[in-house]
Amino acid sequence: AQTVTQSQPEMSVQEAETVTLSCTYDTSESDYYLFWYKQPPSRQMILVIRQEAYKQQNATENRFSVNFQKAAKSFSLKISDSQLGDAAMYFCAYPEWGAQKLVFGQGTRLTINP
Amino acid sequence: DTGVSQNPRHKITKRGQNVTFRCDPISEHNRLYWYRQTLGQGPEFLTYFQNEAQLEKSRLLSDRFSAERPKGSFSTLEIQRTEQGDSAMYLCASSLGGSGQGYTFGSGTRLTVV
Repeated sequence: AQTVTQSQPEMSVQEAETVTLSCTYDTSESDYYLFWYKQPPSRQMILVIRQEAYKQQNATENRFSVNFQKAAKSFSLKISDSQLGDAAMYFCAYPEWGAQKLVFGQGTRLTINP
Repeated sequence: DTGVSQNPRHKITKRGQNVTFRCDPISEHNRLYWYRQTLGQGPEFLTYFQNEAQLEKSRLLSDRFSAERPKGSFSTLEIQRTEQGDSAMYLCASSLGGSGQGYTFGSGTRLTVV
């Protein structure tokens, strides 16, 4: 079965600092997408960033960037200049074979300390 | 278009009662997904539709659960004879085409079975 693993149940960072959330996945496919979603407390899940596996360049969206290591099947999220509004659960997700549905990791709860 | 809408936001029911949730996806999205999320965990796939056709159901979806998407627009998820273990957040998401572009999620329906 394809799996997505987030090994850090909780992380905390000082405001304005940088934090990296880790994610590993298991697949035999060569072309796929990877996603990071953010779920603030009692609010809906929103897409933070998307990476296409066939692209060598790591995706970047403002303060959010990924470190995609295809051979290692690793997909970490770096948040620079952390802000209080970044506090949330973060989920890594991967489309199951055939891209029929997303499989989510267990999540990392990120706390921002003022 | 205001995104994916789910109703109700919260539902408290007595064990053994039937409940029905509604999801209105983004109008041009042909795919609609239902996920279940328990506290502190990542979303777990339940079922998905392409237009009006239900293409896949998870083994998590017991015979007490049924989902419909008449006319390929809104969808309903019904749980019959609710059990305390059904208490969870039920998330709806929609997408245009496969999972490659990611999903747009609704705010979810939180079910509490007492």
